[in-house]
Amino acid sequence: QKEVEQDPGPLSVPEGAIVSLNCTYSNSAFQYFMWYRQYSRKGPELLMYTYSSGNKEDGRFTAQVDKSSKYISLFIRDSQPSDSATYLCAMSGDGSGNTGKLIFGQGTTLQVKP
Amino acid sequence: NAGVTQTPKFRVLKTGQSMTLLCAQDMNHEYMYWYRQDPGMGLRLIHYSVGEGTTAKGEVPDGYNVSRLKKQNFLLGLESAAPSQTSVYFCASSVEFQSTDTQYFGPGTRLTVL
Repeated sequence: QKEVEQDPGPLSVPEGAIVSLNCTYSNSAFQYFMWYRQYSRKGPELLMYTYSSGNKEDGRFTAQVDKSSKYISLFIRDSQPSDSATYLCAMSGDGSGNTGKLIFGQGTTLQVKP
Repeated sequence: NAGVTQTPKFRVLKTGQSMTLLCAQDMNHEYMYWYRQDPGMGLRLIHYSVGEGTTAKGEVPDGYNVSRLKKQNFLLGLESAAPSQTSVYFCASSVEFQSTDTQYFGPGTRLTVL
């Protein structure tokens, strides 16, 4: 079983829809949770970062962490065609001291149709 | 300011051939990383470097070697390529080796081993 599981999709939604992207993980020691966005044929770029449990909002994007359930989510409100990309969750801080080593999910491919 | 660049963008090798992938960053970052991205597997860390002249193994280091002779460059070598090394390779860099620090990714190198 992978340490981080993410539904690869693809996920197709109409423009304006609310999108929910999710990851589950098995290592309860993870403290840092990130979402990266990757456009086709490009490198990933950091979208949002959250420490421990709770919510974080940035414009149309909201990241949620539920450590008790080992479950993280990224919500996109009023989705736009420009949001079409692969979204990767990543996490780290497993207590080994190497907090810079990220464990990535498989990525979910999102398509927002006009 | 080009950020993180990777050379070459594409390469096709035959089994047993060798090659070197070059990563360069102009942000004066101390830390650099090599990842591979495969369908259904997400990004996996191959090797990383915490400074000039230092390297360390990541999650999937077998079959690869790295060198960091200059702070701005991080080289990934395949001594005897195998079809299992067909993948997209991404280089990244960061200021600190902390989860709170953003990793900046290059555009990737698509490698096919026949």
